[in-house]
Amino acid sequence: DTGVSQNPRHKITKRGQNVTFRCDPISEHNRLYWYRQTLGQGPEFLTYFQNEAQLEKSRLLSDRFSAERPKGSFSTLEIQRTEQGDSAMYLCASSFPTGQETQYFGPGTRLLVL
Amino acid sequence: QQQVKQSPQSLIVQKGGIPIINCAYENTAFDYFPWYQQFPGKGPALLIAIRPDVSEKKEGRFTISFNKSAKQFSLHIMDSQPGDSATYFCAARRAGRLYFGRGTQLTVWP
Repeated sequence: DTGVSQNPRHKITKRGQNVTFRCDPISEHNRLYWYRQTLGQGPEFLTYFQNEAQLEKSRLLSDRFSAERPKGSFSTLEIQRTEQGDSAMYLCASSFPTGQETQYFGPGTRLLVL
Repeated sequence: QQQVKQSPQSLIVQKGGIPIINCAYENTAFDYFPWYQQFPGKGPALLIAIRPDVSEKKEGRFTISFNKSAKQFSLHIMDSQPGDSATYFCAARRAGRLYFGRGTQLTVWP
């Protein structure tokens, strides 16, 4: 399968713990996006990368959140000192910057903070 | 502040019916308008998309109608099937970033 993959698919953690999610984009897609989706809502933009450069960060991305894409391939999203309000589906998408630049989404990582 | 407003929140139709989902936006800088379909526990999957210089686009049973002057666009699903039961999101793109509506939960009864 050559789609966007995300790991883990599910994560349960206790408040105050750190968690890290991984996203592997479609190969040759040099843009990678992170979104957050809460129940009953549409995805909300968090940040995006072109190659290894982080080009934009949403105000939703507090100081406890950090994203990296060290070699311009896979990306990680880390949440430090998790809070119950961080419980959500974290979605990754990738695109190729020509044509319509369609964003293709992965299956998401569902985070539950107890 | 919701940049893209979507309605209705939920929709129930009989098999063969034509559900219509509407979206509206204010920001004229949006340059691309995709629709995504999402099943429970899955990520959104691109269904169909349109640019603002086109008034209508059809792919299979799915049609987008786009009214640039009214800043509105809609999704029509022809001959709907129970397998179309899912949540549908409209979105608008500006500077690479997608802004999503809140979603419409569609149920198609057999």
